[in-house]
Amino acid sequence: AQSVTQPDIHITVSEGASLELRCNYSYGATPYLFWYVQSPGQGLQLLLKYFSGDTLVQGIKGFEAEFKRSQSSFNLRKPSVHWSDAAEYFCAVGRMDSNYQLIWGAGTKLIIKP
Amino acid sequence: NAGVTQTPKFRILKIGQSMTLQCTQDMNHNYMYWYRQDPGMGLKLIYYSVGAGITDKGEVPNGYNVSRSTTEDFPLRLELAAPSQTSVYFCASKFEESYGYTFGSGTRLTVV
Repeated sequence: AQSVTQPDIHITVSEGASLELRCNYSYGATPYLFWYVQSPGQGLQLLLKYFSGDTLVQGIKGFEAEFKRSQSSFNLRKPSVHWSDAAEYFCAVGRMDSNYQLIWGAGTKLIIKP
Repeated sequence: NAGVTQTPKFRILKIGQSMTLQCTQDMNHNYMYWYRQDPGMGLKLIYYSVGAGITDKGEVPNGYNVSRSTTEDFPLRLELAAPSQTSVYFCASKFEESYGYTFGSGTRLTVV
């Protein structure tokens, strides 16, 4: 069965430090992968997506993610975090066999230390 | 454009009460979804609709009902509220054969 694992429930980083959020997936074919961000009191916003091609994808707000097929991973990175990046981040994989539905990871809450 | 609008934003219900969570989209999306979000659990699909008059169950449909009489509206009904339904509820919409989901800002429901 398809699944998405985000191993870290919470991550705390200092403002200005680099960030990496982990995501591992289980999927038989080439996956369609997504990262969403949920700021406090807001809905989910798409940060970036990977369908094919270059395995390093750029997103909004200075985020990037790298698809590594050998590791079944799609980790999200940012070189220098800002206090406004404090939010919950969700990784998801798309299911083409079911009306393009998404399977969601449990989320990682990012806490920024001043 | 308003996108996906959910009302109310917050609600406290007593056990056994009923309520309807409203969801409206103005993007002419044919697909609409209801998710619940529980801490450490990600999003779980409750119900979805591929067009007016068509609805189907997701992963966790028990205790909920939906209807889709128009393209724009997809209300979620809780008939007999239970504490297990305390959650944050998100509505989303998209076009067919697309991963371009648009989410509402959510409804935080507490059942006491």
